[in-house]
Amino acid sequence: EVQLLESGGDLVQPGGSLRLSCAASGFTFSSHAMTWVRQAPGKGLEWVSTIASSGAATYYADSVKGRLTISRDNSKNTLYLQLNNLRAEDTAVYYCAKDRSPYCVSDCYPDYWGQGTLVAVSS
Amino acid sequence: QVVLTQSPSASASLGASVKLTCNLSSGHNNYAIAWHQQHPEKGPRFLMKLNSDGSHKKGDGIPDRFSGSSSGAERYLTISSLQSEDEADYYCQTWGTGIHVFGGGTKLTVL
Repeated sequence: EVQLLESGGDLVQPGGSLRLSCAASGFTFSSHAMTWVRQAPGKGLEWVSTIASSGAATYYADSVKGRLTISRDNSKNTLYLQLNNLRAEDTAVYYCAKDRSPYCVSDCYPDYWGQGTLVAVSS
Repeated sequence: QVVLTQSPSASASLGASVKLTCNLSSGHNNYAIAWHQQHPEKGPRFLMKLNSDGSHKKGDGIPDRFSGSSSGAERYLTISSLQSEDEADYYCQTWGTGIHVFGGGTKLTVL
C-alpha cells in the first residue's frame, strides 16, 4: 500500500524558514518523480515543485522560485521541501504526491497523495 | 502555457448522473489530463488519466461509476449512480515538461 506522510508544518513568522518532509513507503521511491502541491485556505490546488526520480532535475512554480528548494534522499525514501523567506501568501496545506512517471515529461501527474501538513505564516 | 477552466459548482440528485467539464485553452486540444477528487479536510485522490481520444486509465480502487470522455478541447468526468460520498471537489490537471497545471476545481453537491 502506497503511503505518503508529510511532517514539519508549523506556525512561522514572515521571513522565517521551515523544512517539510514526506516519508514514502509501499512503492519503489527511486523510480518516481515526486511533487509538492499546496492549498491555501478555501482555495484550489496549486502546484509548487517537482523533482525527477534521480533528483537530477527540479522544477518550480514562478511564485516560489528562489525561495523554496525541493530535494530527495532515495536512500531514506524521503522527499523534502525547504521553505525560506516565508510570506503570508505561503500559508497553505502542503501535500506531497507521487508522480506516475520518473521524469515528468510524459504522464506527469500524481497518482497518490499524502494527507498534507499545514504551514501558517503570521506575526 | 496551457490553462484549464472548470465550472465552480455543480449539483445533481442522489442516484442520478453528473458530467463535470474541464476546458483546455486554445491550441491544447491534444493534451491528456488527470482527474482528482478531494473531500473536505482530506488529501486529494487520483481518479483517472484521460487522453484526448477519450481513453482513460483509472487509479486503484476507483469504482466503475466513474468514467471519462473527451471532445475537442473538453475533458469530461461522468459519475453515475451518485452517492452521498461523491460530494467533493473535483480538479482536472495537465502537464508540460516539469510542470503541473491545475484547474480551479468544481464543487459537486449531491442533493
